[in-house]
Amino acid sequence: AQSVTQLGSHVSVSEGALVLLRCNYSSSVPPYLFWYVQYPNQGLQLLLKYTSAATLVKGINGFEAEFKKSETSFHLTKPSAHMSDAAEYFCAVSGTDSWGKLQFGAGTQVVVTP
Amino acid sequence: EAGVVQSPRYKIIEKKQPVAFWCNPISGHNTLYWYLQNLGQGPELLIRYENEEAVDDSQLPKDRFSAERLKGVDSTLKIQPAELGDSAVYLCASSRGEASGGLNNEQFFGPGTRLTVL
Repeated sequence: AQSVTQLGSHVSVSEGALVLLRCNYSSSVPPYLFWYVQYPNQGLQLLLKYTSAATLVKGINGFEAEFKKSETSFHLTKPSAHMSDAAEYFCAVSGTDSWGKLQFGAGTQVVVTP
Repeated sequence: EAGVVQSPRYKIIEKKQPVAFWCNPISGHNTLYWYLQNLGQGPELLIRYENEEAVDDSQLPKDRFSAERLKGVDSTLKIQPAELGDSAVYLCASSRGEASGGLNNEQFFGPGTRLTVL
């Protein structure tokens, strides 16, 4: 079984500042890890994914995430926040033994201030 | 390519009434998912289809919820009768399917249907 914990339900960052969203996972098998973004009244859009290749994963819109097995973490970062980054972000995990079963975290709402 | 299409986008009904949601997945995607998203939470899987077969419906409340995907393309999710606690966003997603090389399970989501039960 897999599970995800996202630390912080709300994060406020200044425009131009670093964005850091934390995600820790629990999995008894090698995991696949995902970050999705959800803008108001829209569906989820995939930002990036880890599928056991490179541990540093680059995604869209300048986001990247690093898989750290020793820390069971997959934190999402962006060096410089833009106003358009205001949205809700979800970390999700599935396992090599549970294809098709994504377990989502509770989400982190990002607010970007001028 | 066109994305996942869902309708209606919004639905307001009174409790005890029936309601249905429709989803058209991305062309060529064999796997279709229905998720429930409560306010302030992440999506939770209700049911997963591989073509027309429901391969995982363990989280679907079968006393009031039903789903179908008769021809392995479009799908309908129904609630009858609706309860106040069913107010949420219902998301549909699709992916290529494990047999099609979709091992990393990238799912594409529709915009959702926001249900309000009064």
